[in-house]
Amino acid sequence: ELKVEQNPLFLSMQEGKNYTIYCNYSTTSDRLYWYRQDPGKSLESLFVLLSNGAVKQEGRLMASLDTKARLSTLHITAAVHDLSATYFCAVGSSGGGADGLTFGKGTHLIIQP
Amino acid sequence: DAMVIQNPRYQVTQFGKPVTLSCSQTLNHNVMYWYQQKSSQAPKLLFHYYDKDFNNEADTPDNFQSRRPNTSFCFLDIRSPGLGDAAMYLCATSPRGLASYNEQFFGPGTRLTVL
Repeated sequence: ELKVEQNPLFLSMQEGKNYTIYCNYSTTSDRLYWYRQDPGKSLESLFVLLSNGAVKQEGRLMASLDTKARLSTLHITAAVHDLSATYFCAVGSSGGGADGLTFGKGTHLIIQP
Repeated sequence: DAMVIQNPRYQVTQFGKPVTLSCSQTLNHNVMYWYQQKSSQAPKLLFHYYDKDFNNEADTPDNFQSRRPNTSFCFLDIRSPGLGDAAMYLCATSPRGLASYNEQFFGPGTRLTVL
């Protein structure tokens, strides 16, 4: 059974600071996704990571994937209040099948002025 | 714009009264998923359709059923809602067959309240 663990589950930080969210998963996978969710809203796709060493950046967010360590990170640079949200990582089964995603529990991020 | 649409956005039902949630898509994706997300929890996959093939997760209660009459529409039926079924229900689609990475696109969700 595929398990996905995120940490921390809750993070309060100040604007301008840097921080990293970690996502570990238990079995081989070649697909990892990061989503953002605002309160009461649906999931917004941030990054799709498909290969070992993949790194993607969008604004102040950067995601990376190490398939050998079964680890993905989401790094926040110089945080701003607008980035406050819950961030989920999700892993797909290996082989690119149509199976659904297994989500981590999410990291609730609060960025304070 | 191509999108995933869910109706209604908010649904209130009574304990034990059947309810149907709707999802439609204009993306022409051949895979459609239903996830349940309870308050402050991660989304949990209930089932998915790959074209007309239905795939149920092993731990999805029998109380939950799904129908996909055509490519564009997929329904979630809850036969006898209990208080524990109150949640946000998210529909997602994926272009399996066009891309191997199975990126999923989520609708806005339906928030179900059971009284």
